[in-house]
Amino acid sequence: EPEVTQTPSHQVTQMGQEVILRCVPISNHLYFYWYRQILGQKVEFLVSFYNNEISEKSEIFDDQFSVERPDGSNFTLKIRSTKLEDSAMYFCASRNLAGARNEQFFGPGTRLTVL
Amino acid sequence: GNSVTQMEGPVTLSEEAFLTINCTYTATGYPSLFWYVQYPGEGLQLLLKATKADDKGSNKGFEATYRKETTSFHLEKGSVQVSDSAVYFCALPGNTDKLIFGTGTRLQVFP
Repeated sequence: EPEVTQTPSHQVTQMGQEVILRCVPISNHLYFYWYRQILGQKVEFLVSFYNNEISEKSEIFDDQFSVERPDGSNFTLKIRSTKLEDSAMYFCASRNLAGARNEQFFGPGTRLTVL
Repeated sequence: GNSVTQMEGPVTLSEEAFLTINCTYTATGYPSLFWYVQYPGEGLQLLLKATKADDKGSNKGFEATYRKETTSFHLEKGSVQVSDSAVYFCALPGNTDKLIFGTGTRLQVFP
């Protein structure tokens, strides 16, 4: 069964450093998302992406964040200058055009630790 | 905008006990409703869904019925197992296509 994959599973970085989180969505999916979950808290929407552009972003997704689909398979989230409060689990998700409305398939997540 | 409220956890049960995790929602129209599960150390998995009022979603012995009269989508299972220990999230779409999640309910099942 196809699945969303994410790398790395755990990333440790120093405050102020840039990080890139990588995702490979399910191959025939067209809508891509990033969510994050601060430890012990709810899952929060960051950004959605369709047709090579951002469809929607939350107030969390400020100028320090960017997303890119550099080729036909990868979908990346970049944090330019990490802050301590960026420490969280980051989930990538994807959805196809024909699926039940808003059924999104999630990857296993990348745990980001900012020191 | 759309929102979801979920009962606080943790819920602690003995194996074979009956489980209910409450979820109520506020929404414009009748969006699809979802339950996602997060097992320890893993990502989010779709557990079940319902796409219209009075639909019942079911999977792995879990059930939830989309009730528009009470704006609820409570998760139930007749006999829980230790392997059901996880965090359960109720979710629905926002006004766009992002998902809005509840705060999550941790279920702990003991033998």
